[in-house]
Amino acid sequence: EAGVAQSPRYKIIEKRQSVAFWCNPISGHATLYWYQQILGQGPKLLIQFQNNGVVDDSQLPKDRFSAERLKGVDSTLKIQPAKLEDSAVYLCASSSTANYGYTFGSGTRLTVV
Amino acid sequence: GENVEQHPSTLSVQEGDSAVIKCTYSDSASNYFPWYKQELGKRPQLIIDIRSNVGEKKDQRIAVTLNKTAKHFSLHITETQPEDSAVYFCAAADRGSTLGRLYFGRGTQLTVWP
Repeated sequence: EAGVAQSPRYKIIEKRQSVAFWCNPISGHATLYWYQQILGQGPKLLIQFQNNGVVDDSQLPKDRFSAERLKGVDSTLKIQPAKLEDSAVYLCASSSTANYGYTFGSGTRLTVV
Repeated sequence: GENVEQHPSTLSVQEGDSAVIKCTYSDSASNYFPWYKQELGKRPQLIIDIRSNVGEKKDQRIAVTLNKTAKHFSLHITETQPEDSAVYFCAAADRGSTLGRLYFGRGTQLTVWP
């Protein structure tokens, strides 16, 4: 089966600019997660979708971050405006109720300068 | 929410020795405990996982043990090799609920010296 696809792989932007990341989960996986991994730390959940509905966005900085999964398949995560502390790898993962596994994409490495 | 603590943060071993990484969790509802290996610049890769109805699981040189009463689980790597060098993350999740999000530890940088 195809893995979780993410793009772009790398992005460098100046602070206060906007950026968007895209994720296409494994086909049939109803649950999609966006994680932020700051260098030297474990991934932390930003938002979780079940189909096209938000299950958990309690850790999402909603004043600058937004995410959507309009058709219950692929998803977009946006940051507007970006801050220096947003520099991190943004990982998308998907999962299904058919198994316990979570599959991660390759991530998008964001550098804010 | 869940809180996962992981120790040690760094671990250096000689090739052929064993390595043990320990994690504790706080939420008794957690029932799924995966371990991920992450090489520099790459995605986390699942290496082994255990569910709460099992106390131990082994896959070749890798084993995981779970103590539900004490709320801790450990990763054991035997006969370590230089290619085992990476950052290892433990995680916990409640797969019985609609949430099922993973809570990660802070990671252990394992270095295996030839």
